[in-house]
Amino acid sequence: EDQVTQSPEALRLQEGESSSLNCSYTVSGLRGLFWYRQDPGKGPEFLFTLYSAGEEKEKERLKATLTKKESFLHITAPKPEDSATYLCAVPSFRGGSNYKLTFGKGTLLTVNP
Amino acid sequence: DSGVTQTPKHLITATGQRVTLRCSPRSGDLSVYWYQQSLDQGLQFLIQYYNGEERAKGNILERFSAQQFPDLHSELNLSSLELGDSALYFCASSVDPGSSGDTQYFGPGTRLTVL
Repeated sequence: EDQVTQSPEALRLQEGESSSLNCSYTVSGLRGLFWYRQDPGKGPEFLFTLYSAGEEKEKERLKATLTKKESFLHITAPKPEDSATYLCAVPSFRGGSNYKLTFGKGTLLTVNP
Repeated sequence: DSGVTQTPKHLITATGQRVTLRCSPRSGDLSVYWYQQSLDQGLQFLIQYYNGEERAKGNILERFSAQQFPDLHSELNLSSLELGDSALYFCASSVDPGSSGDTQYFGPGTRLTVL
């Protein structure tokens, strides 16, 4: 059974204070790792897909990286509007087809002005 | 806006009742997924449909059922509702589940409250 663990559960930062969120995973053959952002009461919003160790992707103040055992979401000089829950997920495959995402429980990020 | 639509946005009902949640996938997407999100369990996969056929089931209760119609919209039916069924229900869609690059895009969700 695929497993995804995210840490910390909650993170409070001051505006401009950079930090990183962690996602560790246990899967039988990684075929991608996804990062989503979720605002309260809203649906998860796709951010990044990473496929192989060493890969990095950036979007504004966010940079996602991947190793063989974990992924990091680095937040550089965050702003209050970056406050959200960040979710990490891995796809599960059956018969060569992706049939679900297994999600971590997320990191609730709060950025204070 | 992901392009996935869900109705209704909110649903309040009583125990023992039956409700139907509706989802329209993004244009061109053939696969639809349903997830349940509760505070203690996080996002949990319920069921997947591809081009009208059920492809996979997760931890979906027997009281729950779903279908995908020829126009590709999907409905999730929840019956004999219990207090514990109160949660956010999300629909997601994707183009090609056979591709490792396939991305699931989520709708805004339906918040179900069972009183």
